[in-house]
Amino acid sequence: DTAVSQTPKYLVTQMGNDKSIKCEQNLGHDTMYWYKQDSKKFLKIMFSYNNKELIINETVPNRFSPKSPDKAHLNLHINSLELGDSAVYFCASSPGRSYEQYFGPGTRLTVT
Amino acid sequence: QKEVEQDPGPLSVPEGAIVSLNCTYSNSAFQYFMWYRQYSRKGPELLMYTYSSGNKEDGRFTAQVDKSSKYISLFIRDSQPSDSATYLCAMWKGGSYIPTFGRGTSLIVHP
Repeated sequence: DTAVSQTPKYLVTQMGNDKSIKCEQNLGHDTMYWYKQDSKKFLKIMFSYNNKELIINETVPNRFSPKSPDKAHLNLHINSLELGDSAVYFCASSPGRSYEQYFGPGTRLTVT
Repeated sequence: QKEVEQDPGPLSVPEGAIVSLNCTYSNSAFQYFMWYRQYSRKGPELLMYTYSSGNKEDGRFTAQVDKSSKYISLFIRDSQPSDSATYLCAMWKGGSYIPTFGRGTSLIVHP
C-alpha cells in the first residue's frame, strides 16, 4: 500500500507548456507539502496545505499554483514552464503541523 | 555561506564499519533536527528526529545534537550495503514549519 503517491513519475515537456503533477496520501494526514529538489540535491519547501488551507508559500513564482481539492490530495500546476523548473518535485504529508513528514517517490520534471 | 552545511561525499566504507555523518549550521534558532535517508530515485524517508541537544538511539542508528557547537551527527553501527544511500539532515526553528535541508551526504557501503 503506497502511503504517498505521485503521478506522473517522469514528465518531459517543452518550454512554455503548462503541466500538472498530482499527489495523494492515504495516511489520514491533514497537512501536505510540495518540495523541489534541484540538481545539487538541495530540497526546498514550496507550499504547504493544512486541511485544504494554504499555510506556507515560500516565494515561489506565481506560475506555480497548488490546489488541494480535499485533505488527501494536493496537486501542483505549473504554467509557462522554464528550463530552470527542471527538478524533482516531491509531495509529502504529516499529521498536523508536524516535523515528521512522509515523502512521495517524486516526479522528475525535465523542461527542454 | 548556507545555513546548513553538509559534505556531499561520497563517503565509501567497508561493510561493518561505523559511519559518522555530520551537518553544521549557523542559525542558533534551530531546535528540531531530523535525518532522512534517500535511496537513488526515491523520496526521502524519515530516520531519526531529535529536539534540542542530546543523543537518541534507534537500533543501529544514533543521532547526536550539540547545540553549543551547532553540529549534528548521525552514527550508523555495523553498516550494511543496504545502508548505501544519501543521508539528508534537516532542521526547523521553533514554531516554524519551514525546514532547512542540507544537500545530503552520499554513503557507499561496499561488501
